[in-house]
Amino acid sequence: EAQVTQNPRYLITVTGKKLTVTCSQNMNHEYMSWYRQDPGLGLRQIYYSMNVEVTDKGDVPEGYKVSRKEKRNFPLILESPSPNQTSLYFCASSFNGGQGANYGYTFGSGTRLTVV
Amino acid sequence: GDSVTQMEGPVTLSEEAFLTINCTYTATGYPSLFWYVQYPGEGLQLLLKATKADDKGSNKGFEATYRKETTSFHLEKGSVQVSDSAVYFCALRRGNQFYFGTGTSLTVIP
Repeated sequence: EAQVTQNPRYLITVTGKKLTVTCSQNMNHEYMSWYRQDPGLGLRQIYYSMNVEVTDKGDVPEGYKVSRKEKRNFPLILESPSPNQTSLYFCASSFNGGQGANYGYTFGSGTRLTVV
Repeated sequence: GDSVTQMEGPVTLSEEAFLTINCTYTATGYPSLFWYVQYPGEGLQLLLKATKADDKGSNKGFEATYRKETTSFHLEKGSVQVSDSAVYFCALRRGNQFYFGTGTSLTVIP
């Protein structure tokens, strides 16, 4: 089944304790992205990647890191989480623009992160 | 810059009522347009799409037509069910840029 898999689904952590949220897709998509969803603010893009070793900042990158060492994986790293990073996080993937511009995103099921 | 504006919710309808959720967009060129649905506790799922002017996307009884003259992509369903209760997002894609509306919450009561 074509899918984007995120782990964990739920995570409660303490301020300052480094964490990684994993994301993996099995559709050979070049383009991958991380979003956070907060009430009243909609979806905001954190980082995106157009291919292996190519990443760029989205609208709200502060406090986050990403890496893209393999095409299928795009982990989100919070090196020193703070309470304002409590949110619902989604990983998404698609084909690149150009010939892929008619494709939408496939989203993961989400990771609900609470930082206390 | 590009943007998507969709009607604010929440929207509450009785079962079998007609649904319209308005979506308008601003974009240069010819973007692709999408509707996504998010059921409680889940991620966003692609509901339907249209990739050029006058295209009609449809799925699960939902429809939306890409209207370039009015820059709109309104979502419609003739008879909603309780199981349609969810948050609906309008989105556009131009190249590798995606733009989402803020979402419209729909509750359908029996």
